Order: sequence, then structure tokens, then C-alpha cells
Amino acid sequence: DIVMTQSPDSLAVSLGERATINCKSSHSILYSSNNKHYLAWYQQKPGQPPNLLIYWASTREFGVPDRFSGSGSGTDFTLSISSLQAEDVAVYYCQQYYTTPYSFGQGTKLEIK
Amino acid sequence: QVQLQQWGAGLLKPSETLSLICGVYGGSLSGFYWSWLRQSPGKGLEWIGEINDIGSTDFNPSLKSRVTISVDTSRNQLSLKLNSVTAADTAVYYCARGPGDYGYWGQGSLVIVSS
Repeated sequence: DIVMTQSPDSLAVSLGERATINCKSSHSILYSSNNKHYLAWYQQKPGQPPNLLIYWASTREFGVPDRFSGSGSGTDFTLSISSLQAEDVAVYYCQQYYTTPYSFGQGTKLEIK
Repeated sequence: QVQLQQWGAGLLKPSETLSLICGVYGGSLSGFYWSWLRQSPGKGLEWIGEINDIGSTDFNPSLKSRVTISVDTSRNQLSLKLNSVTAADTAVYYCARGPGDYGYWGQGSLVIVSS
């Protein structure tokens, strides 16, 4: 099974500043035939299901603000929020969908400093 | 706009069978994979398994022996059954539309297993 490890576990950032969350997969999640990384990022607020932000490691889901961006390759990936807004307080998860069983990181709790 | 609505029993005793239904509204089951996932404080987000519109399934090996996932295309519904539950199965259960990356989720169903 592929293990996803996020860092840090929690993060406090000032409003308007950049927030960066890291995710590392235990195996490559690059499918060579289409050169796509099978990695997604989600935002989850209390009492709600996860909300898809990014897929293919760097493609923003429709309607997601452009302050959210995803990057990375191989086994190391990053979710960045360029200018933190109050509504971005949430837990963020990465997920690999390269192979089943699909697996998630443990989550990163993002708060306002 | 696709919406997923879940329902089912929320309180079970050990050894009973968990049963949840997910209705798909505003869209068809066809052409997609439909998954069940769960979330607990101890184990985080866990993928349970998936089914496509023709009934092909894939399951998490850790749960495979206890899980059944099925679709009813006439009712536009999918279902989850997990037998022989224990306290470790206490979680919020979600249905979601795949494959892989999940853009549509059900609202979640809290299932508590307690004697």
C-alpha cells in the first residue's frame, strides 16, 4: 500500500501570508503513459465532507480560488495558499489515487496566527 | 448539480451489520466509479472500496472480507454493507463519486458501534 505523509501536522499563518503544506508518498504516483501524478488535495471544515481543491497534483477544481495551487513531482508535493484568508481555516488532506487502496495523508490543521 | 444523499442506521451493536444507502440526484450512475470512505479520529480518512456502473468492485484488503458494495441503477442508488462490526468501525461514512479524485461527496453518516 502507498503511505501518504503530510507535514506539518498543524500550521499557524497570518492573514494575507503564504501557507505551505507538504505531502510525501511512499512510492511514485506518476503514471508514465500520461505523465500525470495521481494526487489530489482536499479542504475539510468541521461537520462537512472533504472538498476537492486540486487534482493531477496541480489542476484546480472548478470554482476553487486561484490563491490555491498545487505543485510537485515524483513523491513530493506541495499545496500552497498564496494569501491566507479567514475562510481558509480548515484541515487539508492529500490523497493518492494511483492505485487502490487509495490513501490519504493524516491531515494538516491550518489556523490563523 | 449532482448531489449525493446518504441514509442508514447510526447506532449498532457489536457483531451487527452496518447498512448504508447513497442516492444520486441530478446525475446518472453511468460512466463513473462510486466509492465508500470513512473517517475516524484514530484512522483518519480510509478508502473502503468502489463499484462502477456495471457492478465491478474493488475493496480495501483490510476490510474486503466484511464488505459488500452494490448499485441499483433503476433507483440511482449505491449501498454499503459491513458485517460483524466492532467498536473500531465507529466512524463517519461517506459515499463519493470517483474514480480516484472525489469531487462529489455525500453529507456523511455517523455510525457508532457500542454495546
